[in-house]
Amino acid sequence: GENVEQHPSTLSVQEGDSAVIKCTYSDSASNYFPWYKQELGKGPQLIIDIRSNVGEKKDQRIAVTLNKTAKHFSLHITETQPEDSAVYFCAASAHSGNTPLVFGKGTRLSVIA
Amino acid sequence: SQTIHQWPATLVQPVGSPLSLECTVEGTSNPNLYWYRQAAGRGLQLLFYSVGIGQISSEVPQNLSASRPQDRQFILSSKKLLLSDSGFYLCAWNLRTDTQYFGPGTRLTVL
Repeated sequence: GENVEQHPSTLSVQEGDSAVIKCTYSDSASNYFPWYKQELGKGPQLIIDIRSNVGEKKDQRIAVTLNKTAKHFSLHITETQPEDSAVYFCAASAHSGNTPLVFGKGTRLSVIA
Repeated sequence: SQTIHQWPATLVQPVGSPLSLECTVEGTSNPNLYWYRQAAGRGLQLLFYSVGIGQISSEVPQNLSASRPQDRQFILSSKKLLLSDSGFYLCAWNLRTDTQYFGPGTRLTVL
């Protein structure tokens, strides 16, 4: 089955700097890659996702890149702000309809003002 | 628009007591439904998922069970709680080939 590895487990950046979180997956059939942000005491919220037919997607300060050959995808946050501090999870699935997402173990991002 | 509800929001239970957590989804029909557990500071562990009424797949054998008595209702149960059952329980839903959305969660403490 699918296995998703996520690095780093913790990340501290200065406000205004960029943050990059990387994930690798094992199943070449996976074709859907979402990223979630979880604030303390809340459920994870989808922040961006990408499907295997594109290599990059951007939404304001957040971007995701996908390298299908190497089977890895990354989350890029530019101009970080204190409110970006949270736990971020990547996930992958062969989006055939009823396949559950497989999640990475999460990255705790701290943005230092 | 669709919304997902979980209750209770917090729960403190003694070891050996039963458990029932409820999740409902509004504004859609025939969703896939999921139960996850998150231990403190840890990742998301998929417990159960359901693709339809009465159809439950278990990912982790343990003293928990799940049921789906109605199309948009998903219940997580236990007959006797263990200390190790403490955690943050999250329900999620999606439609076929679509984005998965999480509920607000239930914080369970077993004493």
